[in-house]
Amino acid sequence: LAKTTQPISMDSYEGQEVNITCSHNNIATNDYITWYQQFPSQGPRFIIQGYKTKVTNEVASLFIPADRKSSTLSLPRVSLSDTAVYYCLVNPLYSSASKIIFGSGTRLSIRP
Amino acid sequence: EPEVTQTPSHQVTQMGQEVILRCVPISNHLYFYWYRQILGQKVEFLVSFYNNEISEKSEIFDDQFSVERPDGSNFTLKIRSTKLEDSAMYFCASSEQGSLRPQHFGDGTRLSIL
Repeated sequence: LAKTTQPISMDSYEGQEVNITCSHNNIATNDYITWYQQFPSQGPRFIIQGYKTKVTNEVASLFIPADRKSSTLSLPRVSLSDTAVYYCLVNPLYSSASKIIFGSGTRLSIRP
Repeated sequence: EPEVTQTPSHQVTQMGQEVILRCVPISNHLYFYWYRQILGQKVEFLVSFYNNEISEKSEIFDDQFSVERPDGSNFTLKIRSTKLEDSAMYFCASSEQGSLRPQHFGDGTRLSIL
């Protein structure tokens, strides 16, 4: 599994756009990039997944450059409730029952 | 939206006792998982389960641990003789068929070993 590196923590303010970048230099051709979010005392929650270019859903956008060695999770107009730990993961496409190897994630703190 | 539910939310047990943590995965999901998170640490994979057998397990999942799907809805994690270091949040997750299907996590059982 490709190793990922992301900032340990980030701070921002309500209403701002937050971008969290993850490095995955050893990503393989068949790997997808997935982001999860974890609120305190809750289980992780899937946010978004992508392979290349840009993916957008109702929660976030995921930007993946052509070389796929990094990805950026973009949270538009954050609120206090976006305070959480965000995990960047790389998963192989053809692997059944894939376990998730969580890193330390990025602890995002949103201030009023 | 369907959810993974876990019971109890908090379990307090004496060291050496057996404990069973229960999970009800999302009904049409085929893959089931247990993870744990010691306070302040990373979420760690324990075991995955598919087609009524273990698909993969981590080094943490030793002979003290077992999993079972006793009926069509429940998925359980048993710890036979608990140790102090088993104190953690235990998360159950489930997913549809296919590795790219996101895993849906429950909100966990906080296990406290005294």
